[in-house]
Amino acid sequence: ELKVEQNPLFLSMQEGKNYTIYCNYSTTSDRLYWYRQDPGKSLESLFVLLSNGAVKQEGRLMASLDTKARLSTLHITAAVHDLSATYFCAVEPDSNYQLIWGAGTKLIIKP
Amino acid sequence: GAGVSQSPSNKVTEKGKDVELRCDPISGHTALYWYRQSLGQGLEFLIYFQGNSAPDKSGLPSDRFSAERTGGSVSTLTIQRTQQEDSAVYLCASSLSTGGFTDTQYFGPGTRLTVL
Repeated sequence: ELKVEQNPLFLSMQEGKNYTIYCNYSTTSDRLYWYRQDPGKSLESLFVLLSNGAVKQEGRLMASLDTKARLSTLHITAAVHDLSATYFCAVEPDSNYQLIWGAGTKLIIKP
Repeated sequence: GAGVSQSPSNKVTEKGKDVELRCDPISGHTALYWYRQSLGQGLEFLIYFQGNSAPDKSGLPSDRFSAERTGGSVSTLTIQRTQQEDSAVYLCASSLSTGGFTDTQYFGPGTRLTVL
């Protein structure tokens, strides 16, 4: 069975701290996506990781992909309140035209 | 440019009624997806359209659910004889889906369905 597991599922942290969200998956894939969802809103694409060792950074967020370990990480540096959201990772099994979604990590950043 | 649009944004219906949800994808996107998201949960895949190919209906939860995509553009998701457990946000996404991969999916704002 294809599985994508995120952890933690819930994270409450203080502003200014660093933290990492993990996304493990059970199938072979070279493509992994990170999305953000604000409360009551739809999903917004953050990163597309297309190969082993890929690293993408945008502001205080940095995502990486290790296809051998079947692991992606989303690292938050010096968190600020407006990064509070739910973060989803999604994996595309090789040539499958679909995404397998993680359950999401709800991130709350306290001032 | 215009993103993915969905209508209605909210729909309240009585148990047993039929509902139709509409999705207008980004122009030129060949792939269209429907998902369901229950409160505080992740995304549940429902159905996928790719160009003129037969849709992948493997995620539809029952035969009360159906979807069509006319002219390779607008899609309608129909739920017949709605049940309370159908209450959720229904999200539509589209993507270019080039080169044999799905590419980034762009999501609409969703339709919040409440079945009383």
